[in-house]
Amino acid sequence: GQQLNQSPQSMFIQEGEDVSMNCTSSSIFNTWLWYKQDPGEGPVLLIALYKAGELTSNGRLTAQFGITRKDSFLNISASIPSDVGIYFCAGNSGNTPLVFGKGTRLSVIA
Amino acid sequence: DAGVTQSPTHLIKTRGQHVTLRCSPISGHKSVSWYQQVLGQGPQFIFQYYEKEERGRGNFPDRFSARQFPNYSSELNVNALLLGDSALYLCASSTRRDFYGYTFGSGTRLTVV
Repeated sequence: GQQLNQSPQSMFIQEGEDVSMNCTSSSIFNTWLWYKQDPGEGPVLLIALYKAGELTSNGRLTAQFGITRKDSFLNISASIPSDVGIYFCAGNSGNTPLVFGKGTRLSVIA
Repeated sequence: DAGVTQSPTHLIKTRGQHVTLRCSPISGHKSVSWYQQVLGQGPQFIFQYYEKEERGRGNFPDRFSARQFPNYSSELNVNALLLGDSALYLCASSTRRDFYGYTFGSGTRLTVV
């Protein structure tokens, strides 16, 4: 099935550092979502974006809906150990199911 | 409030067997979707049901089927299991008819040997 191009695949960072990850699609999307998945759990929604150019924050997390509607990025500022996990982007257009990226595995070194 | 609950949490099946996975949505949610997440990949859409009617089907073989009951709970059935069916199966529920606003459960880990 279709999956989005998400990068990087994995990251090892020091506690306190900022993190940036992005996602691209070959199709135009109307919605971009960012999820976090912890081991043994389902994905949890972090941020939802519904408009091209939209910049939305949720605490230390900031995400943007690309102007071309084919990309999105997620930034995490001042990372902490509990930020460890797998981050997924997801998007869709119109009334279609969500398409997910392959995920970015984040490891934080204290 | 209880979230989306799935059962069982883990199970092991042999190739060729049949499996039934169960999902109870959040109270008041009428829509249920099923996703398959193979290790190292993002979730892939399998089915969506709203008010007991199938609203969407992903690119999965006919061995996969699902249904939604009057209480909005749902079952995912997979026949003639293959090794490649080993995955985390996620259920998500929503109040909406469309594909937005879903809350995911913790999933059922299926291993086919």
